[in-house]
Amino acid sequence: DQQVKQNSPSLSVQEGRISILNCDYTNSMFDYFLWYKKYPAEGPTFLISISSIKDKNEDGRFTVFLNKSAKHLSLHIVPSQPGDSAVYFCAASGRDFQKLVFGTGTRLLVSP
Amino acid sequence: DSGVTQTPKHLITATGQRVTLRCSPRSGDLSVYWYQQSLDQGLQFLIQYYNGEERAKGNILERFSAQQFPDLHSELNLSSLELGDSALYFCASSPGDRKPNYGYTFGSGTRLTVV
Repeated sequence: DQQVKQNSPSLSVQEGRISILNCDYTNSMFDYFLWYKKYPAEGPTFLISISSIKDKNEDGRFTVFLNKSAKHLSLHIVPSQPGDSAVYFCAASGRDFQKLVFGTGTRLLVSP
Repeated sequence: DSGVTQTPKHLITATGQRVTLRCSPRSGDLSVYWYQQSLDQGLQFLIQYYNGEERAKGNILERFSAQQFPDLHSELNLSSLELGDSALYFCASSPGDRKPNYGYTFGSGTRLTVV
């Protein structure tokens, strides 16, 4: 039972354009959502998070949008840079934050 | 360097064997989490320890066990290994038993190959 889904295994974007990565979830008890970035041979690195009481959180080039009614969140990267090329994981947790449930990841390739 | 240290980085072993993966959390972090990433899969939560005590359990097989020691390092023991146990095993840590603003800090993982 995949509670957090990333339906696009890969995404290719040109440098300078917007990258939009999508994530859907099924568990309405999720209270906190996070995005992680992962480079090869490294562990995931925390990128940005959003609480369920908000619908948007911004940090520099990265913005996360949350649509609770649709159980959907997205990560926008503007402008995209070649260094953003990595696998991006969406994750969610309940209020107790005792475990993060991860999606399967989307591989982003930003070409010069 | 994230501050979370996992050893060994790579491990190749035969079916039926037993291995121990080690994790040292970031300085000051009390919680340790273990995750498994199989090929083309997301990270599957295995188990969480907080200050030496088990706090949450996920899809961890009975052949697997873990513990967190008084110095807060943790070990994940995998026994009676099967080919399907081949995966990346990640350890992560966080400051405490409540949500941090920045999520968990992950180590670089141990790649286990069972042959």
